[in-house]
Amino acid sequence: GNSVTQMEGPVTLSEEAFLTINCTYTATGYPSLFWYVQYPGEGLQLLLKATKADDKGSNKGFEATYRKETTSFHLEKGSVQVSDSAVYFCALIRPFFSGGYNKLIFGAGTRLAVHP
Amino acid sequence: NAGVTQTPKFQVLKTGQSMTLQCAQDMNHEYMSWYRQDPGMGLRLIHYSVGAGITDQGEVPNGYNVSRSTTEDFPLRLLSAAPSQTSVYFCASSEQGAYPTDTQYFGPGTRLTVL
Repeated sequence: GNSVTQMEGPVTLSEEAFLTINCTYTATGYPSLFWYVQYPGEGLQLLLKATKADDKGSNKGFEATYRKETTSFHLEKGSVQVSDSAVYFCALIRPFFSGGYNKLIFGAGTRLAVHP
Repeated sequence: NAGVTQTPKFQVLKTGQSMTLQCAQDMNHEYMSWYRQDPGMGLRLIHYSVGAGITDQGEVPNGYNVSRSTTEDFPLRLLSAAPSQTSVYFCASSEQGAYPTDTQYFGPGTRLTVL
């Protein structure tokens, strides 16, 4: 079946450190891949997405590249800030040709804490 | 433009009580859904709707009921609350739910505790 696996957290970094949060997926066909972010006390917000192999999604200094050969979509940021502290969710939507409503399948989430 | 709104933000229930979680969106989205968020499990789909009058089950529908009488509203009903339903509930909406490139917009969530 379709599933998403994320690295366990929490991830604790100092401000300006490099961030990587690993995400791998299992899916039939060619899913679209997403990163969502949840700030404390808020709902999820779309951070970035990629819809086909080798696509790079980017937003707010975050990047992730859709790697079909390794079935991965790792999230990276070159220099994190305290304001990046949040929970990050990797997700996929099963391929369009599966038909019906395309349901998001989420990973467990990774909590990031950035200290000054 | 308020986006997706949910009420209440917090709720405590006793086992066996019933209640309705409200969700509304003002973006004229056809697709709406309910998720629950539990520690270490990400978000799991409870029910979804592809338009007014049409609903279907997600991964974890047992113990929950939904209806969609208007495009704007998608309430979630707990018929007889159980401690296993203690969770954070998120409502989401999207414009093109049938397309893999679609973006879902989430509400701020309702934190429910069942004693």
